[in-house]
Amino acid sequence: QQQVKQSPQSLIVQKGGISIINCAYENTAFDYFPWYQQFPGKGPALLIAIRPDVSEKKEGRFTISFNKSAKQFSLHIMDSQPGDSATYFCAAKSGGYQKVTFGIGTKLQVIP
Amino acid sequence: NAGVTQTPKFQVLKTGQSMTLQCAQDMNHEYMSWYRQDPGMGLRLIHYSVGAGITDQGEVPNGYNVSRSTTEDFPLRLLSAAPSQTSVYFCASRPTQGTEAFFGQGTRLTVV
Repeated sequence: QQQVKQSPQSLIVQKGGISIINCAYENTAFDYFPWYQQFPGKGPALLIAIRPDVSEKKEGRFTISFNKSAKQFSLHIMDSQPGDSATYFCAAKSGGYQKVTFGIGTKLQVIP
Repeated sequence: NAGVTQTPKFQVLKTGQSMTLQCAQDMNHEYMSWYRQDPGMGLRLIHYSVGAGITDQGEVPNGYNVSRSTTEDFPLRLLSAAPSQTSVYFCASRPTQGTEAFFGQGTRLTVV
Protein backbone atom coordinates (compact mmCIF):
# COMPACT_ATOMS: atom_id res chain seq x y z
CA GLN A 1 0.00 0.00 0.00
CA GLN A 2 1.21 3.45 -0.90
CA GLN A 3 1.22 5.66 2.18
CA VAL A 4 2.16 8.78 0.24
CA LYS A 5 0.46 9.29 -3.10
CA GLN A 6 2.15 11.66 -5.52
CA SER A 7 0.93 13.13 -8.79
CA PRO A 8 1.56 13.72 -11.59
CA GLN A 9 4.29 11.25 -12.52
CA SER A 10 5.58 13.58 -15.21
CA LEU A 11 5.19 17.28 -15.85
CA ILE A 12 6.28 19.58 -18.64
CA VAL A 13 6.28 23.30 -17.91
CA GLN A 14 7.45 26.24 -19.96
CA LYS A 15 10.23 28.43 -18.66
CA GLY A 16 8.78 31.08 -16.35
CA GLY A 17 5.70 29.03 -15.56
CA ILE A 18 4.54 27.52 -12.28
CA SER A 19 5.19 23.83 -11.59
CA ILE A 20 2.82 22.17 -9.14
CA ILE A 21 3.26 18.70 -7.68
CA ASN A 22 0.71 17.22 -5.31
CA CYS A 23 0.93 14.63 -2.55
CA ALA A 24 -1.58 13.05 -0.22
CA TYR A 25 -1.07 10.91 2.86
CA GLU A 26 -3.17 8.75 5.16
CA ASN A 27 -1.11 8.25 8.31
CA THR A 28 -1.95 11.04 10.75
CA ALA A 29 1.18 10.18 12.76
CA PHE A 30 3.34 11.77 10.07
CA ASP A 31 4.80 14.99 11.43
CA TYR A 32 7.45 15.97 8.91
CA PHE A 33 7.00 16.37 5.18
CA PRO A 34 10.13 16.92 3.09
CA TRP A 35 10.56 17.32 -0.63
CA TYR A 36 13.65 15.87 -2.30
CA GLN A 37 15.12 16.87 -5.64
CA GLN A 38 17.06 14.40 -7.75
CA PHE A 39 19.13 15.21 -10.82
CA PRO A 40 20.03 12.43 -13.30
CA GLY A 41 22.82 10.22 -12.02
CA LYS A 42 22.69 11.71 -8.53
CA GLY A 43 21.11 10.79 -5.23
CA PRO A 44 18.09 12.72 -3.95
CA ALA A 45 18.84 15.84 -1.90
CA LEU A 46 16.59 17.70 0.50
CA LEU A 47 14.95 20.71 -1.16
CA ILE A 48 12.46 22.02 1.37
CA ALA A 49 10.41 20.61 4.24
CA ILE A 50 7.41 21.50 6.38
CA ARG A 51 5.80 20.44 9.64
CA PRO A 52 2.00 20.23 9.92
CA ASP A 53 1.71 23.14 12.34
CA VAL A 54 2.19 25.61 9.46
CA SER A 55 0.19 25.91 6.26
CA GLU A 56 2.91 27.26 4.00
CA LYS A 57 6.68 27.46 3.78
CA LYS A 58 8.57 29.40 1.17
CA GLU A 59 12.24 29.24 0.26
CA GLY A 60 13.11 31.31 -2.76
CA ARG A 61 11.06 30.10 -5.72
CA PHE A 62 9.95 26.94 -3.91
CA THR A 63 6.83 26.86 -1.72
CA ILE A 64 5.18 24.02 0.16
CA SER A 65 1.46 24.38 0.80
CA PHE A 66 0.07 22.11 3.51
CA ASN A 67 -3.57 21.24 4.21
CA LYS A 68 -3.73 19.21 7.40
CA SER A 69 -7.49 18.57 7.32
CA ALA A 70 -7.33 17.24 3.77
CA LYS A 71 -4.05 15.40 4.45
CA GLN A 72 -2.54 16.92 1.35
CA PHE A 73 0.57 18.94 0.57
CA SER A 74 2.02 20.35 -2.59
CA LEU A 75 5.20 21.83 -4.01
CA HIS A 76 4.99 24.97 -6.10
CA ILE A 77 7.96 26.08 -8.17
CA MET A 78 7.51 29.67 -9.29
CA ASP A 79 9.25 31.07 -12.37
CA SER A 80 10.36 27.55 -13.32
CA GLN A 81 13.76 27.34 -15.00
CA PRO A 82 15.40 24.67 -17.18
CA GLY A 83 17.80 24.04 -14.30
CA ASP A 84 14.82 22.90 -12.22
CA SER A 85 14.40 19.91 -14.54
CA ALA A 86 14.73 16.96 -12.18
CA THR A 87 12.73 14.32 -10.40
CA TYR A 88 10.94 15.50 -7.27
CA PHE A 89 9.90 13.22 -4.43
CA CYS A 90 7.53 14.11 -1.65
CA ALA A 91 7.98 12.18 1.58
CA ALA A 92 6.60 11.82 5.07
CA LYS A 93 8.06 10.78 8.39
CA SER A 94 6.84 10.36 11.92
CA GLY A 95 9.01 11.03 14.94
CA GLY A 96 12.23 9.50 16.21
CA TYR A 97 13.54 6.44 14.44
CA GLN A 98 10.56 6.16 12.14
CA LYS A 99 11.13 5.46 8.48
CA VAL A 100 10.76 8.03 5.75
CA THR A 101 8.10 7.06 3.22
CA PHE A 102 8.53 8.44 -0.28
CA GLY A 103 6.07 9.15 -3.06
CA ILE A 104 6.69 7.66 -6.50
CA GLY A 105 8.33 10.80 -7.83
CA THR A 106 7.51 13.42 -10.48
CA LYS A 107 9.79 13.96 -13.43
CA LEU A 108 9.72 17.66 -14.21
CA GLN A 109 10.92 19.04 -17.51
CA VAL A 110 11.12 22.79 -17.94
CA ILE A 111 11.32 23.72 -21.60
CA PRO A 112 12.72 27.04 -22.89
CA ASN B 1 33.55 16.00 3.88
CA ALA B 2 32.63 12.86 1.91
CA GLY B 3 29.10 12.38 3.26
CA VAL B 4 27.63 9.06 2.09
CA THR B 5 29.83 7.02 -0.24
CA GLN B 6 28.54 4.09 -2.25
CA THR B 7 30.62 1.61 -4.22
CA PRO B 8 30.55 0.46 -6.92
CA LYS B 9 28.72 2.99 -9.11
CA PHE B 10 27.86 0.40 -11.75
CA GLN B 11 27.69 -3.38 -11.65
CA VAL B 12 26.54 -6.14 -13.98
CA LEU B 13 25.80 -9.52 -12.45
CA LYS B 14 24.73 -12.83 -13.86
CA THR B 15 21.64 -14.48 -12.44
CA GLY B 16 22.56 -16.45 -9.34
CA GLN B 17 25.71 -14.51 -8.50
CA SER B 18 26.11 -12.83 -5.16
CA MET B 19 27.63 -9.48 -4.36
CA THR B 20 27.85 -6.77 -1.73
CA LEU B 21 27.00 -3.12 -2.28
CA GLN B 22 29.09 -0.97 0.02
CA CYS B 23 27.90 2.13 1.88
CA ALA B 24 29.94 4.27 4.22
CA GLN B 25 29.17 7.57 5.93
CA ASP B 26 31.46 9.89 7.85
CA MET B 27 28.82 12.00 9.62
CA ASN B 28 28.43 9.73 12.67
CA HIS B 29 24.76 9.19 11.83
CA GLU B 30 22.97 6.45 13.73
CA TYR B 31 20.24 5.85 11.16
CA MET B 32 21.13 4.27 7.81
CA SER B 33 18.93 2.77 5.15
CA TRP B 34 18.94 1.17 1.72
CA TYR B 35 16.43 2.03 -1.00
CA ARG B 36 15.88 0.80 -4.50
CA GLN B 37 14.59 3.12 -7.18
CA ASP B 38 12.57 1.76 -10.06
CA PRO B 39 10.61 3.66 -12.73
CA GLY B 40 7.06 4.36 -11.56
CA MET B 41 7.79 2.90 -8.11
CA GLY B 42 9.72 5.70 -6.47
CA LEU B 43 12.09 4.92 -3.63
CA ARG B 44 11.29 1.73 -1.76
CA LEU B 45 12.93 0.86 1.53
CA ILE B 46 14.82 -2.43 1.57
CA HIS B 47 16.45 -2.52 5.02
CA TYR B 48 17.37 -0.01 7.65
CA SER B 49 19.45 0.27 10.79
CA VAL B 50 19.03 2.51 13.82
CA GLY B 51 22.53 1.85 15.11
CA ALA B 52 25.43 -0.59 15.16
CA GLY B 53 24.16 -4.13 15.65
CA ILE B 54 20.50 -3.23 14.97
CA THR B 55 18.84 -3.81 11.62
CA ASP B 56 15.28 -4.26 10.44
CA GLN B 57 13.35 -4.95 7.27
CA GLY B 58 11.74 -2.36 5.08
CA GLU B 59 8.99 -2.93 2.55
CA VAL B 60 10.98 -4.96 -0.03
CA PRO B 61 13.58 -7.02 1.93
CA ASN B 62 13.39 -10.34 0.11
CA GLY B 63 16.65 -11.38 -1.55
CA TYR B 64 18.75 -8.93 0.44
CA ASN B 65 20.74 -9.13 3.66
CA VAL B 66 22.32 -6.39 5.74
CA SER B 67 24.51 -6.09 8.79
CA ARG B 68 25.75 -3.12 10.78
CA SER B 69 28.96 -3.82 12.67
CA THR B 70 30.08 -0.18 12.84
CA THR B 71 28.34 3.19 12.82
CA GLU B 72 30.06 4.09 9.56
CA ASP B 73 29.30 1.09 7.34
CA PHE B 74 26.06 -0.52 6.17
CA PRO B 75 26.65 -3.06 3.37
CA LEU B 76 23.80 -4.59 1.36
CA ARG B 77 24.25 -8.18 0.24
CA LEU B 78 22.47 -9.79 -2.69
CA LEU B 79 22.41 -13.49 -1.94
CA SER B 80 21.51 -14.87 -5.39
CA ALA B 81 20.92 -12.13 -7.92
CA ALA B 82 17.75 -12.20 -10.00
CA PRO B 83 16.75 -10.03 -12.98
CA SER B 84 14.02 -8.49 -10.77
CA GLN B 85 16.81 -6.95 -8.71
CA THR B 86 17.93 -4.81 -11.62
CA SER B 87 17.58 -1.34 -10.18
CA VAL B 88 19.36 1.72 -8.86
CA TYR B 89 20.25 1.33 -5.20
CA PHE B 90 20.65 4.24 -2.82
CA CYS B 91 22.08 4.30 0.66
CA ALA B 92 21.03 7.10 3.01
CA SER B 93 21.87 8.22 6.51
CA ARG B 94 20.51 10.71 9.01
CA PRO B 95 21.02 11.58 12.65
CA THR B 96 18.76 9.81 15.14
CA GLN B 97 16.62 12.82 15.93
CA GLY B 98 17.34 14.59 12.71
CA THR B 99 15.04 14.97 9.78
CA GLU B 100 17.18 15.36 6.67
CA ALA B 101 18.30 12.16 4.95
CA PHE B 102 21.63 12.31 3.12
CA PHE B 103 21.87 10.06 0.09
CA GLY B 104 24.79 8.51 -1.69
CA GLN B 105 25.25 8.77 -5.45
CA GLY B 106 23.68 5.39 -6.08
CA THR B 107 24.71 2.03 -7.55
CA ARG B 108 23.19 1.03 -10.87
CA LEU B 109 22.87 -2.76 -10.86
CA THR B 110 21.96 -4.86 -13.86
CA VAL B 111 21.26 -8.58 -13.47
CA VAL B 112 21.35 -10.54 -16.72
